[in-house]
Amino acid sequence: AQSVTQLGSHVSVSEGALVLLRCNYSSSVPPYLFWYVQYPNQGLQLLLKYTTGATLVKGINGFEAEFKKSETSFHLTKPSAHMSDAAEYFCAVRLGTDSWGKLQFGAGTQVVVTP
Amino acid sequence: GAGVSQTPSNKVTEKGKYVELRCDPISGHTALYWYRQSLGQGPEFLIYFQGTGAADDSGLPNDRFFAVRPEGSVSTLKIQRTERGDSAVYLCASSFGGTGELFFGEGSRLTVL
Repeated sequence: AQSVTQLGSHVSVSEGALVLLRCNYSSSVPPYLFWYVQYPNQGLQLLLKYTTGATLVKGINGFEAEFKKSETSFHLTKPSAHMSDAAEYFCAVRLGTDSWGKLQFGAGTQVVVTP
Repeated sequence: GAGVSQTPSNKVTEKGKYVELRCDPISGHTALYWYRQSLGQGPEFLIYFQGTGAADDSGLPNDRFFAVRPEGSVSTLKIQRTERGDSAVYLCASSFGGTGELFFGEGSRLTVL
């Protein structure tokens, strides 16, 4: 079975500070992992994904995440927060192996950026 | 339009009524997914289509929920005898091939009174 735990439902960061969003997963098959972002009044948008290969993956808008199998983690980081990063972020793991889009999502982390 | 379109954006209905939610995916996307997002939670998988057929409907909560995609494009999620617990945002997403990227619509917010 697959599951996703996001630590912290709300995170507040100062503009220019590091953004760190934590995600731990469990998976009975080799995990495919995703981070999606939801800006206000918009649909979810893919930030980045890990399937196989390089464990440090880079995404859009300066975000990156590192897959650590030993820690079953896939934390999302950005070195310097911008006001435009205020959004809700969801970590997800693929359910099973027959579809790319059948995902188990975490509960989400709301990011607030303060000036 | 260029993105995934969902209608209606908001639907308020009474307990026991029938509801249809529509999804118009990105042109050419062969796979279409329905998710449900309750307040304070992440999206929950309901069903996905590959072309016209439902490839996996294991997430549908019970037989009051049904979805169709008759021509391999537009999909309709149908909910019979709605209950207050069905209140949520229903999300539709589409994808092309094995890219691993879902394109989501803005959702249909359903409120059952």
